[in-house]
Amino acid sequence: GAVVSQHPSRVICKSGTSVKIECRSLDFQATTMFWYRQFPKQSLMLMATSNEGSKATYEQGVEKDKFLINHASLTLSTLTVTSAHPEDSSFYICSARADRGNSPLHFGNGTRLTVT
Amino acid sequence: AQSVTQLGSHVSVSEGALVLLRCNYSSSVPPYLFWYVQYPNQGLQLLLKYTTGATLVKGINGFEAEFKKSETSFHLTKPSAHMSDAAEYFCAVSAAGNQFYFGTGTSLTVIP
Repeated sequence: GAVVSQHPSRVICKSGTSVKIECRSLDFQATTMFWYRQFPKQSLMLMATSNEGSKATYEQGVEKDKFLINHASLTLSTLTVTSAHPEDSSFYICSARADRGNSPLHFGNGTRLTVT
Repeated sequence: AQSVTQLGSHVSVSEGALVLLRCNYSSSVPPYLFWYVQYPNQGLQLLLKYTTGATLVKGINGFEAEFKKSETSFHLTKPSAHMSDAAEYFCAVSAAGNQFYFGTGTSLTVIP
């Protein structure tokens, strides 16, 4: 149980275009989803927290107009990288948890974004 | 507030040797503690978690961790390393809320 599906696993796009990444909880309802960015050989950097039906909470330094997050249902959150630039190339990982108690985070398999 | 410190960004062990990955946490409230493993180009997989109860927690793939409140530690161990254990390991702390805090990770290399 507790599977999180993230698509696509890899995407290459041209500079200036937008890319959407989907994160789905397949067998549980996720009240909260998190989006992380990970640079090579580094830990996860939390970008934003999204709660179903409300606006995402962005971490300091993360441009909310560039990284659009939508959490329209209890099983789906999307991250759209708008007007992508080469410096946005990174590994993006979503995670979800069912409640605010002691349940762990369940992670998607990540999306490798390359902007050319 | 919570935070996690993982001592040693790189650990190398011989196949069959003991694995010990260190994690110390800081928390103003009773913490929930987690260990995750990440293989290249993949997301994170939960190894084990401590919430309440027994302080020695057993997880998948033969790993276990012990919550020591007096030492504010949650070190991950495995009696005998296998080649397939080579990966990145992350310790995380959470409280009865929403936020997770991850350590900087420890890269485990297993030498044949």
